[in-house]
Amino acid sequence: DAGVTQSPTHLIKTRGQQVTLRCSPKSGHDTVSWYQQALGQGPQFIFQYYEEEERQRGNFPDRFSGHQFPNYSSELNVNALLLGDSALYLCASSHTGSLPAQFFGPGTRLTVL
Amino acid sequence: AQTVTQSQPEMSVQEAETVTLSCTYDTSENNYYLFWYKQPPSRQMILVIRQEAYKQQNATENRFSVNFQKAAKSFSLKISDSQLGDTAMYFCAFMKRFGGSEKLVFGKGMKLTVNP
Repeated sequence: DAGVTQSPTHLIKTRGQQVTLRCSPKSGHDTVSWYQQALGQGPQFIFQYYEEEERQRGNFPDRFSGHQFPNYSSELNVNALLLGDSALYLCASSHTGSLPAQFFGPGTRLTVL
Repeated sequence: AQTVTQSQPEMSVQEAETVTLSCTYDTSENNYYLFWYKQPPSRQMILVIRQEAYKQQNATENRFSVNFQKAAKSFSLKISDSQLGDTAMYFCAFMKRFGGSEKLVFGKGMKLTVNP
């Protein structure tokens, strides 16, 4: 049973560019959450998707947007990249209705130059 | 807003010994969940243990157990018989279920090193 997968593993972009990160949830999960983890910090909640809708959003600007597909996979898009967007981006999946437990993918390391 | 505080940035322990990691949190909610996650150098975040706030009994998972003090808003993790593979960053996290949403609020983490 595959766990949560994310692609790509690493990404290098320059300021002003746009990036798309992808996530496939664990089998049987219907909810995907995205987190940003800066170096030496705990993850910060970006947003959560359920039934292809954004269910909750953290304190991130509109440059951060997402999407969930009918197969529950998800994308995170970041426009107009800033140096401060350099971080590890983590995707977590869960099953709504069960006792809460989010399972994380290995993350995408984004470097903005 | 909920906050999670891990005041010890780093700890080390000898293999086979017991170590306790501390965590405090602040919330006005009564129903919530608390978690400990482990992040090894490979960076994948792994769920270690979960505690439901409505349960008085402390959660245990093999060598891992918690001491949940709801009134004191304290949630510590005890690792017994430490192993080299326990070396990792450990994050305490809070979740309140609101309208079906499950948002995790993390502490800054604590680096644990297990020495041979």
